[in-house]
Amino acid sequence: EAGVAQSPRYKIIEKRQSVAFWCNPISGHATLYWYQQILGQGPKLLIQFQNNGVVDDSQLPKDRFSAERLKGVDSTLKIQPAKLEDSAVYLCASSLALRQFFGPGTRLTVL
Amino acid sequence: RKEVEQDPGPFNVPEGATVAFNCTYSNSASQSFFWYRQDCRKEPKLLMSVYSSGNEDGRFTAQLNRASQYISLLIRDSKLSDSATYLCVVNRGRDDKIIFGKGTRLHILP
Repeated sequence: EAGVAQSPRYKIIEKRQSVAFWCNPISGHATLYWYQQILGQGPKLLIQFQNNGVVDDSQLPKDRFSAERLKGVDSTLKIQPAKLEDSAVYLCASSLALRQFFGPGTRLTVL
Repeated sequence: RKEVEQDPGPFNVPEGATVAFNCTYSNSASQSFFWYRQDCRKEPKLLMSVYSSGNEDGRFTAQLNRASQYISLLIRDSKLSDSATYLCVVNRGRDDKIIFGKGTRLHILP
């Protein structure tokens, strides 16, 4: 069974630039999550989708972050404009019965 | 009080020893609990779910104490390959929000 796919794996940008990440969940998983993980900390939930609807985006910095889930399958997360403190790994996960399966993440460095 | 708290460690444990760590949660309505393992520069992977009656998977035992609002993970006969960060995950309750702890780092020493 194919796992959660994410791209790109690495991205380096300068502050104030824009960046987008893509996630393809496991087939059949209705719930999709985006997390931000800063070095030395646990993952922080940014947004949770159920199919193509948003369940929780309370910790998403909406002035600069946006996310969508096209047709309830793939999802993109965008940051515009990026700040230095956005440097982190962005993890996508999908779940079945609350058991989450993570993609390899995108490591973002903002210079 | 944070929603999910873990001792960050690191726990430095000799190979073959038994080690246990706890994770406390603040919301008494929490329904589901999990332990994830995260290796350095890798994504988290589900280690085991935690059931009310406690459950065991090989050398790993997970338990839930609802009265004191904590879950525990016990690793017996620890191996070098057990070195990782162990993340506690709590489903917050009726709104199905999932909260990760910051993780406990475990180093198994040869």
